[in-house]
Amino acid sequence: AAGVIQSPRHLIKEKRETATLKCYPIPRHDTVYWYQQGPGQDPQFLISFYEKMQSDKGSIPDRFSAQQFSDYHSELNMSSLELGDSALYFCASNSRAEVGRSAQYFGPGTRLLVL
Amino acid sequence: KQEVTQIPAALSVPEGENLVLNCSFTDSAIYNLQWFRQDPGKGLTSLLLIQSSQREQTSGRLNASLDKSSGRSTLYIAASQPGDSATYLCAVSHSMNRDDKIIFGKGTRLHILP
Repeated sequence: AAGVIQSPRHLIKEKRETATLKCYPIPRHDTVYWYQQGPGQDPQFLISFYEKMQSDKGSIPDRFSAQQFSDYHSELNMSSLELGDSALYFCASNSRAEVGRSAQYFGPGTRLLVL
Repeated sequence: KQEVTQIPAALSVPEGENLVLNCSFTDSAIYNLQWFRQDPGKGLTSLLLIQSSQREQTSGRLNASLDKSSGRSTLYIAASQPGDSATYLCAVSHSMNRDDKIIFGKGTRLHILP
């Protein structure tokens, strides 16, 4: 069965650079979630989208922005990168019709290292 | 604000023992509760999902229970094996405004001694 795809899997950037992380949800899933997991930390919710509209917002820095496209894939844009942005970024997807009945399906994550 | 707490933070047990990991949450308005496994530097593997209307789920040597009214869940691992060594994360899907963002606990680092 198709799973959530994230690209790239690994990314190395310098401070003050920008990065774009991509997420391709499971086919027919219309809702995408982004989570950030810092070293030794639990994953923290960043932002979610449903039908290309922002659905909920968590602890996402103003330097970050995200959007969902017509094919339901999502991109997380990170600017003015800081050392503290080094983390594992997870994307998850679900169908709004299944919210509460099924689990979010997580991608393998993108590991971002800021030097 | 929903908070998820896991006890203990770390646990070492000899191989073959049965063990229990504990999770508590402050707001009972949840859609479901999940237990995840995470190996160092790796992604999240979903182990068990319990809907808010259910009391337990079983998969192989794993059994998870949910007491929604008291805000508690346990993950029972039978006949532990060295391959079970990992961090186990408890997470609740919080039902607000039809969104189900997941709120994680900080995890229990489990080490099974050969």
